[in-house]
Amino acid sequence: AQSVTQPDIHITVSEGASLELRCNYSYGATPYLFWYVQSPGQGLQLLLKYFSGDTLVQGIKGFEAEFKRSQSSFNLRKPSVHWSDAAEYFCAVSGGTGGGNKLTFGTGTQLKVEL
Amino acid sequence: EPEVTQTPSHQVTQMGQEVILRCVPISNHLYFYWYRQILGQKVEFLVSFYNNEISEKSEIFDDQFSVERPDGSNFTLKIRSTKLEDSAMYFCASTWVLDTEAFFGQGTRLTVV
Repeated sequence: AQSVTQPDIHITVSEGASLELRCNYSYGATPYLFWYVQSPGQGLQLLLKYFSGDTLVQGIKGFEAEFKRSQSSFNLRKPSVHWSDAAEYFCAVSGGTGGGNKLTFGTGTQLKVEL
Repeated sequence: EPEVTQTPSHQVTQMGQEVILRCVPISNHLYFYWYRQILGQKVEFLVSFYNNEISEKSEIFDDQFSVERPDGSNFTLKIRSTKLEDSAMYFCASTWVLDTEAFFGQGTRLTVV
């Protein structure tokens, strides 16, 4: 069964500092990988996705993520955090080609940005 | 930009009552989903729906739950007899085809008292 681990429950960074949120997945084949962001009272917004090809993917709001098959990881990065980035971030995996669209989410990382 | 719309945004119901959560997926999407997020926990898959039938469901989705696409636009989740533990945020999502990203609605916060 597929699973996702986000080892950091809470992260606090200063505005302007760089950010890396960790995500590890477990899946038997090549998965599809996603990062979603949830602001308070809001739904889930897709930041970026990896299906195949270039392992470094760019997303919205200046975020990027790198797929590392050898480490089963898909970490999210941003070079300079803005106060508006404070939110909860979810990594998710689905089954890849033929594996169905069901998403399995990690427990989320709550990002706090200090001014 | 097209979006998934959910109503109501917040619903309070008494234990044992039936509730219907409504969703309008993106108009040209073919696959529909319900997820839930109990406060402080991860987002969990409930059910997927395609071609007017359930394509996959989780063990959470027991006989108390049902889904329906009563017309060409709405997609509903019914909980027949709500329990306290059904209190959660319920998210509707849709995808155009398989192997594409899901678009989520804003969620319905269900509170069972």
